[in-house]
Amino acid sequence: QVRLLQSGTEVKRPGASVKVSCKASGYTFSSYGISWMRQAPGHGLEWVGWNSNYNGKTTSAQKFQGRVTLTLDTSTSTAYMELRRLTSDDTAVYYCARVIGDRIYFYGVDAWGQGTTVTVSS
Amino acid sequence: QSVLTQPPSVSGTPGQRVTISCSGSSSNLAHNYVYWYQHLPGTAPKLLISANDQRPSGVPDRFSGSKSGTSASLVISGLRSEDEADYYCATWDDSLSGFYLFGTGTKVTVL
Repeated sequence: QVRLLQSGTEVKRPGASVKVSCKASGYTFSSYGISWMRQAPGHGLEWVGWNSNYNGKTTSAQKFQGRVTLTLDTSTSTAYMELRRLTSDDTAVYYCARVIGDRIYFYGVDAWGQGTTVTVSS
Repeated sequence: QSVLTQPPSVSGTPGQRVTISCSGSSSNLAHNYVYWYQHLPGTAPKLLISANDQRPSGVPDRFSGSKSGTSASLVISGLRSEDEADYYCATWDDSLSGFYLFGTGTKVTVL
């Protein structure tokens, strides 16, 4: 079955960077894009961005542009999200998910990772 | 600023039918598929409805979705205790350079 396994809990200082991994199994990794979402304490789900498997293009939400890097490593079926210049507002559970789409078009996501807790605190 | 508006909470007794609304705009719901996700605290969200009204394999048929214009709805028929969770609609928004937009979320409580 489709499975996305994320890396473990992270605790970071303000201004630092964090890199979360998401290892896929149970499907052909190169046939699907990967999206990243987050949920801050007491808040709803928020989209961070996604990598298209079709052309490798990254699209991210405007608030993260210039601060986030999303990559796909097809050799290890692993996706990565690096977020820089962390602040306390970045404290959240981060999720990766497989994209339902058509080449460059993003329709939604189906399988989700278990989530990675990132805490930013001085 | 684009928003998908959902009621903060809905409730019902076991067996009842509840409806969660999702209101968007011309830049999102009008021309894009709506998806619905169920999220139980401490777990990964789960896809409930894809492409407006399609139920993925394994999702009980008491969950149904629809979309008309800039609004969408999720109906839970025959509410069960295990349906107590947060529910989110979501769709692509074509404004700015394009982004995926989640609804504000609805907490379903089974009384």
